[in-house]
Amino acid sequence: ELKVEQNPLFLSMQEGKNYTIYCNYSTTSDRLYWYRQDPGKSLESLFVLLSNGAVKQEGRLMASLDTKARLSTLHITAAVHDLSATYFCAVEIGSQGNLIFGKGTKLSVKP
Amino acid sequence: DTEVTQTPKHLVMGMTNKKSLKCEQHMGHRAMYWYKQKAKKPPELMFVYSYEKLSINESVPSRFSPECPNSSLLNLHLHALQPEDSALYLCASSHPGAGELFFGEGSRLTVL
Repeated sequence: ELKVEQNPLFLSMQEGKNYTIYCNYSTTSDRLYWYRQDPGKSLESLFVLLSNGAVKQEGRLMASLDTKARLSTLHITAAVHDLSATYFCAVEIGSQGNLIFGKGTKLSVKP
Repeated sequence: DTEVTQTPKHLVMGMTNKKSLKCEQHMGHRAMYWYKQKAKKPPELMFVYSYEKLSINESVPSRFSPECPNSSLLNLHLHALQPEDSALYLCASSHPGAGELFFGEGSRLTVL
């Protein structure tokens, strides 16, 4: 059974600081996704990582994937309040869109 | 059009009611999904339709009945639900096998 573990589950940071969210998974998969969810809202796709060594950046967020270590990271640079949300990583089983989500990291960026 | 549209946004129903959730997309995606998300929990897969055929049913109780009338529409028929079925129901779509899922805003269901 595939397990996806995120840490930390809660993250309170000050604006301007850097931090990293980690996502470990237990079985082989070459597809990893990062989503953002604001309270009461749906999931917004942030990154799709499809191969070992993949690195993608969008604004203050950068995601990477190491399939050998079964680890993905989401790095936040110079956080701003607008980044406050819950961030989920998800790993795909098979190729039919069956995503197993981590528990999510609730990020709170304080002025 | 890059949206997945779900209706209704909110639904309150009794345990004896029959209701339906609807989902529509016009991105040409041939895979559509229902996920269930309880409060403060991650989403969990319920059903996958690929080319309008049910390809995955994650052991969902029969009181939830999915239907895919055509490549753009996905319904979830609800009957005799329990209070513990109260959750946010998310529809998503993608190209089959292509990975990235696009989620709708969700239908927030409350069962009294």
